[in-house]
Amino acid sequence: GQNIDQPTEMTATEGAIVQINCTYQTSGFNGLFWYQQHAGEAPTFLSYNVLDGLEEKGRFSSFLSRSKGYSYLLLKELQMKDSASYLCAALDSNYQLIWGAGTKLIIKP
Amino acid sequence: DADVTQTPRNRITKTGKRIMLECSQTKGHDRMYWYRQDPGLGLRLIYYSFDVKDINKGEISDGYSVSRQAQAKFSLSLESAIPNQTALYFCATSGQRESDEQFFGPGTRLTVL
Repeated sequence: GQNIDQPTEMTATEGAIVQINCTYQTSGFNGLFWYQQHAGEAPTFLSYNVLDGLEEKGRFSSFLSRSKGYSYLLLKELQMKDSASYLCAALDSNYQLIWGAGTKLIIKP
Repeated sequence: DADVTQTPRNRITKTGKRIMLECSQTKGHDRMYWYRQDPGLGLRLIYYSFDVKDINKGEISDGYSVSRQAQAKFSLSLESAIPNQTALYFCATSGQRESDEQFFGPGTRLTVL
């Protein structure tokens, strides 16, 4: 079956760095997305990776290793507004998005 | 104005009632999606449409139906609502490329008593 695994919850301190991991098992693979979702709101797009390596976008970076079925989202210089859930989603061979349950990130002052 | 709108935003209904959730988008995208989100679970795809004449079942289509009235409008119906359909429902839209991000509506919180 197809599966996305990510930690349920993480806690970090304002100003610090946090890495949110995601492992995926899909029938085929055509890329991996990260979305941010604040409580009670809609998910919003953060990044898309299809090739191995690190993509940097401001304070947020996303890494992909296709051979390991692994991705991570790196958040630097954490701010209180980064408190949210972070959703990992993989595109399978049929170009269907398989979503993880999300990682709730709690930022403490 | 928001690019993707959903109505209603909140709805409480009773078991057995027919419910329609509506979605409109102004992004000019052909692709539209309906998801439900439950606590502790990922987003699950109910139906999707790649253009006005194209409707496809997703992972959990049983108990739901959809209508694509126009490029900009995609409605989700629960023919006979049941309590386990209580969830947060999201509509989304995207461009033609598989790598295109999905833009989500604000969600409809549905409670079936």
